[in-house]
Amino acid sequence: AQKVTQAQTEISVVEKEDVTLDCVYETRDTTYYLFWYKQPPSGELVFLIRRNSFDEQNEISGRYSWNFQKSTSSFNFTITASQVVDSAVYFCALSEVYNTDKLIFGTGTRLQVFP
Amino acid sequence: NAGVTQTPKFQVLKTGQSMTLQCAQDMNHEYMSWYRQDPGMGLRLIHYSVGAGITDQGEVPNGYNVSRSTTEDFPLRLLSAAPSQTSVYFCASSYYSGQAYTEAFFGQGTRLTVV
Repeated sequence: AQKVTQAQTEISVVEKEDVTLDCVYETRDTTYYLFWYKQPPSGELVFLIRRNSFDEQNEISGRYSWNFQKSTSSFNFTITASQVVDSAVYFCALSEVYNTDKLIFGTGTRLQVFP
Repeated sequence: NAGVTQTPKFQVLKTGQSMTLQCAQDMNHEYMSWYRQDPGMGLRLIHYSVGAGITDQGEVPNGYNVSRSTTEDFPLRLLSAAPSQTSVYFCASSYYSGQAYTEAFFGQGTRLTVV
């Protein structure tokens, strides 16, 4: 069975701190996609990144970086120098390669960044 | 492009009433799906479609019907609303770019309350 676990329910940091959101997944598929979505207080879902299972390169986009480790089935997300606008719920998700609409979501991590 | 449009944004129903949540996308995406989001549970897949005329059940299909007569529309029908269906509903769509399947594009959500 496929499963995504985000063990951190809520994290609070002060602005400019670095913060890492953990994501652990389970799947029997040999190829798959992993995603991170952001849900700000306004409620919409904002796509952040997609990672294919055969691409284990880490990725950096501005203050955001992602560490994908297939050996530990983890796809962690780090925000460097956090800002108040980063306050949101962050979801990690897993899909098969041939249908990225069919997502298995984690329960989300609520990040609160205080000024 | 309007993207994925969900209507209504808010709805209050009485137990036993039926209603249809509308979802339309103008991006010619072949894949569409419906999710519900409940506190502490992340998003869970209700139904999905890989093209016009083709639908299948997700993780939590009971109490919901779907059909896909056109590429653009994917309505979700609640047959007899129950308080347990109080949730935020998201519609999503994606497509095959010729090289890979894209991430899911989400609508703004419909907040449904069943009293």
